[in-house]
Amino acid sequence: QKEVEQNSGPLSVPEGAIASLNCTYSDRGSQSFFWYRQYSGKSPELIMSIYSNGDKEDGRFTAQLNKASQYVSLLIRDSQPSDSATYLCAVGGYQKVTFGTGTKLQVIP
Amino acid sequence: DARVTQTPRHKVTEMGQEVTMRCQPILGHNTVFWYRQTMMQGLELLAYFRNRAPLDDSGMPKDRFSAEMPDATLATLKIQPSEPRDSAVYFCASSLPGRAVYEQYFGPGTRLTVT
Repeated sequence: QKEVEQNSGPLSVPEGAIASLNCTYSDRGSQSFFWYRQYSGKSPELIMSIYSNGDKEDGRFTAQLNKASQYVSLLIRDSQPSDSATYLCAVGGYQKVTFGTGTKLQVIP
Repeated sequence: DARVTQTPRHKVTEMGQEVTMRCQPILGHNTVFWYRQTMMQGLELLAYFRNRAPLDDSGMPKDRFSAEMPDATLATLKIQPSEPRDSAVYFCASSLPGRAVYEQYFGPGTRLTVT
């Protein structure tokens, strides 16, 4: 079992729709959770961090964390073609951070 | 505009040659990470440093890879000898201390091709 799992996609959504990206992790001791966006040929860029159960909103982005289910998600409201990228889930534990392999999102105009 | 810088951006070399990649972390960031990214394996942590001291290099092939931080403004990753399977994009990232240690800022990467 991979430590951080994501569906590789591609996930295709029409412009203006809500994109829902999911991530599960295996280490119950994990304390910090992140979403990075990576455009093709570019480096990962941190877009959201979440440390406690519940929702955290930042503009069109909402991160959701459920530690009991070991599940993290990212919702993108009003998806735009510029949101088309690979989204990496990262999970931080004791002196360690592990990235998932990413979900490719395609927003169709 | 604070950002992580990496040099070179691209490197093509022949098998057996030494490769050195350099990274300048954001000023004030005391934790530096080295990652390798390939299509097959995704983003893999190779090593990381805190206050210039190596904390974890378990992801790095010890026989050919080495990582150092000679000072707070420079981190280096060396491969000697290089092999075709080392072809990948190598990213450096830095972060602040404390809870934000894993809120990482990535450099543009070094795209390495070993022929």
